[in-house]
Amino acid sequence: ILNVEQSPQSLHVQEGDSTNFTCSFPSSNFYALHWYRWETAKSPEALFVMTLNGDEKKKGRISATLNTKEGYSYLYIKGSQPEDSATYLCAFIPSNYQLIWGAGTKLIIKP
Amino acid sequence: DAGVIQSPRHEVTEMGQEVTLRCKPISGHDYLFWYRQTMMRGLELLIYFNNNVPIDDSGMPEDRFSAKMPNASFSTLKIQPSEPRDSAVYFCVTDNSNYGYTFGSGTRLTVV
Repeated sequence: ILNVEQSPQSLHVQEGDSTNFTCSFPSSNFYALHWYRWETAKSPEALFVMTLNGDEKKKGRISATLNTKEGYSYLYIKGSQPEDSATYLCAFIPSNYQLIWGAGTKLIIKP
Repeated sequence: DAGVIQSPRHEVTEMGQEVTLRCKPISGHDYLFWYRQTMMRGLELLIYFNNNVPIDDSGMPEDRFSAKMPNASFSTLKIQPSEPRDSAVYFCVTDNSNYGYTFGSGTRLTVV
């Protein structure tokens, strides 16, 4: 059974602080890894699509790294702002394209 | 680009009634997925289509659920008869491999 784990489940961070969280996935049959941001009462929005070991992607204050050999990806947020409060989902896509979702990390930024 | 368009946004119906959820995908996105989201189970894949053809419907809960994609610009998810346990947010999602999945705004279904 393929499993995608995200940790921590939830996280409270002071505004202005930087933070990071983890997505762990099977290290075999890797095709791609996605990160999504899901704000309350909205739909998930794609942040990053990562396909190569060692990939690093950046969008503003948010960045992500990928290690396919050991099966993990980190999402970093620099200088957290209240608008960063959301649930961050990762999704692992193996070589059969059957996407598997993590349960998400709920991030709350305290002003 | 208006994105993935779902209708209705909210639906409240009585148990036993038929419910039809609609989706207009993004033109050119070959894959279309129907997901259900609940607090208890998170995001569940119900069914997906590739070029309008149903590929995997193993996530459809039971015979009360059916989905169609008669052409590249329209898909429906039907529940007949509806039950209170079907209450959830239903997302229609399309795939652009380079940029990830695009979610519709969802239909919040409440069955009373």
